[in-house]
Amino acid sequence: DAGVTQSPTHLIKTRGQQVTLRCSPISGHKSVSWYQQVLGQGPQFIFQYYEKEERGRGNFPDRFSARQFPNYSSELNVNALLLGDSALYLCASSLADRLNSPLHFGNGTRLTVT
Amino acid sequence: AQSVSQHNHHVILSEAASLELGCNYSYGGTVNLFWYVQYPGQHLQLLLKYFSGDPLVKGIKGFEAEFIKSKFSFNLRKPSVQWSDTAEYFCAVNPVTGANNLFFGTGTRLTVIP
Repeated sequence: DAGVTQSPTHLIKTRGQQVTLRCSPISGHKSVSWYQQVLGQGPQFIFQYYEKEERGRGNFPDRFSARQFPNYSSELNVNALLLGDSALYLCASSLADRLNSPLHFGNGTRLTVT
Repeated sequence: AQSVSQHNHHVILSEAASLELGCNYSYGGTVNLFWYVQYPGQHLQLLLKYFSGDPLVKGIKGFEAEFIKSKFSFNLRKPSVQWSDTAEYFCAVNPVTGANNLFFGTGTRLTVIP
């Protein structure tokens, strides 16, 4: 059974560029959440999508955006990259939009901004 | 703002020693509580969760956690650790406000010496 898959695994960008990260949830899961994990910190919530609608947004600037497609996969976009955006970006999927439905995390995309 | 504190950043134990990792949160309302584990090179996995009922919850691999509401704590315990428990442990809190996001602590790295 395939888990949550994220692509790419690693990415290097320069300041000011834009990046798109992709996530495929576990088959049958309709909810996708995005988290940012800066080195030495715990994951920080960015977005949650359920049935293609945004259900939650964390305290991130408008440079961060996301969407969910009809097949429940998701993309996270970050514009005008800053050095501080360097982090591991985690995607998590779950069956439902409530947290009594466990989150399953992917391995993440490591973004380095130079 | 909600915060989750894990005071032990790095814990080193010998096999068979008992483990207790502290977790405190700052939120006055109803919360759902979680412990996640990340083994070296692997993704975050749910260890155990508390939603309501018995404040002592049991998880996988012999771990348990106790919710003490008056202390805003959700400490993780294991009576006898094994080398394979070497991992990073994250406490996470979801305030039951309708939003579906997790607030993570900074994590505790556990090293078990054979």
